[in-house]
Amino acid sequence: AQTVTQSQPEMSVQEAETVTLSCTYDTSESDYYLFWYKQPPSRQMILVIRQEAYKQQNATENRFSVNFQKAAKSFSLKISDSQLGDAAMYFCAYRSAWGDDKIIFGKGTRLHILP
Amino acid sequence: EAGVTQSPTHLIKTRGQQVTLRCSPISGHTSVYWYQQALGLGLQFLLWYDEGEERNRGNFPPRFSGRQFPNYSSELNVNALELEDSALYLCASSPIPNYGYTFGSGTRLTVV
Repeated sequence: AQTVTQSQPEMSVQEAETVTLSCTYDTSESDYYLFWYKQPPSRQMILVIRQEAYKQQNATENRFSVNFQKAAKSFSLKISDSQLGDAAMYFCAYRSAWGDDKIIFGKGTRLHILP
Repeated sequence: EAGVTQSPTHLIKTRGQQVTLRCSPISGHTSVYWYQQALGLGLQFLLWYDEGEERNRGNFPPRFSGRQFPNYSSELNVNALELEDSALYLCASSPIPNYGYTFGSGTRLTVV
């Protein structure tokens, strides 16, 4: 069974600085999707960025980018120029490209932004 | 475009009671997913419905059940509520797998 591990329960970063959230996953599949979701205090889960495993190029969405290392099964999220609105729980997630359709989530990293 | 809508937003139930939570997916999305987010446990997969059929369920007892209606909206039913059922219940919909989910704002269930 696939698993997703986020080893940092909490992190803090100074406003305008850069922070990297770590995520590793375990799978025997070669074709899958990876996601980062953000859950602010409003509790609405928001898709931040996604990565297709067959693409070597790292995904980027404005200030958010990933470092996808398929061989190492690592999928870290980098947030540049951190803003107060980035404070939230961040969840790393995995979804198989075939068969079972559910997304598997890590336990999350709570990110604090220090003014 | 309306997002995923869930109702109610909050409710309080007594142990042993039954509860029904509701979810309307984004128009055009046929798949609905239910997750339980209990404190400290992350998101646990509950149920997946597609085209009116239950496609998969997570490791939850049979007292967690649901259904999907012809308009693709869905209900989650929990019978014989226990204190540990207190959690945020999230519904999500998806058009195709590689787009990830769009989540609703959740229903906060408190069992006392």
